[in-house]
Amino acid sequence: SAVISQKPSRDICQRGTSLTIQCQVDSQVTMMFWYRQQPGQSLTLIATANQGSEATYESGFVIDKFPISRPNLTFSTLTVSNMSPEDSSIYLCSVRGGADTQYFGPGTRLTVL
Amino acid sequence: EDQVTQSPEALRLQEGESSSLNCSYTVSGLRGLFWYRQDPGKGPEFLFTLYSAGEEKEKERLKATLTKKESFLHITAPKPEDSATYLCAVQRETSGSRLTFGEGTQLTVNP
Repeated sequence: SAVISQKPSRDICQRGTSLTIQCQVDSQVTMMFWYRQQPGQSLTLIATANQGSEATYESGFVIDKFPISRPNLTFSTLTVSNMSPEDSSIYLCSVRGGADTQYFGPGTRLTVL
Repeated sequence: EDQVTQSPEALRLQEGESSSLNCSYTVSGLRGLFWYRQDPGKGPEFLFTLYSAGEEKEKERLKATLTKKESFLHITAPKPEDSATYLCAVQRETSGSRLTFGEGTQLTVNP
């Protein structure tokens, strides 16, 4: 299994600002995913990030709001732009592992005031 | 659209009291059904992947089974450390690696 770390682990931000979340994996992976888990709810896929290509966003998520970078095979960032209280969530990075599974990072808990 | 429904939403058990969690799904062309465990403040931890009806997988006190419409996670003689939220997710054959998650079952095992 892959070991995934995220920074920051949590943050409290002001409305209208932006936060960049980092995801680091201990091995090279082709596909990385960003999920959101709103309070009391399950996980929703935001986008898929492949190295060397533009991220693919799910319905309801747009690049201007959630720009993603994927500079190499072990690292990705997700930016939450122009934040509002509705963006308060846990943001999770995951990678595709063997046997068609996905492994998740510890998450970034974001609170927007 | 893929749908995953988990029941019950919450379950309280006494230590040693076996039970089952349910995951009902609707998906066009199932590639795999996944079970995860999530502890508070942490990311989901992978437990099992099931691919076809009739398949079963076990890990310690947990056993997952799969039919064409639902999956069960059986917990035998649970311990307090089994307390967590258990998430079910499906992957469609044509959706790449996209997972659709259910809302989860919050399990509490009392000593």
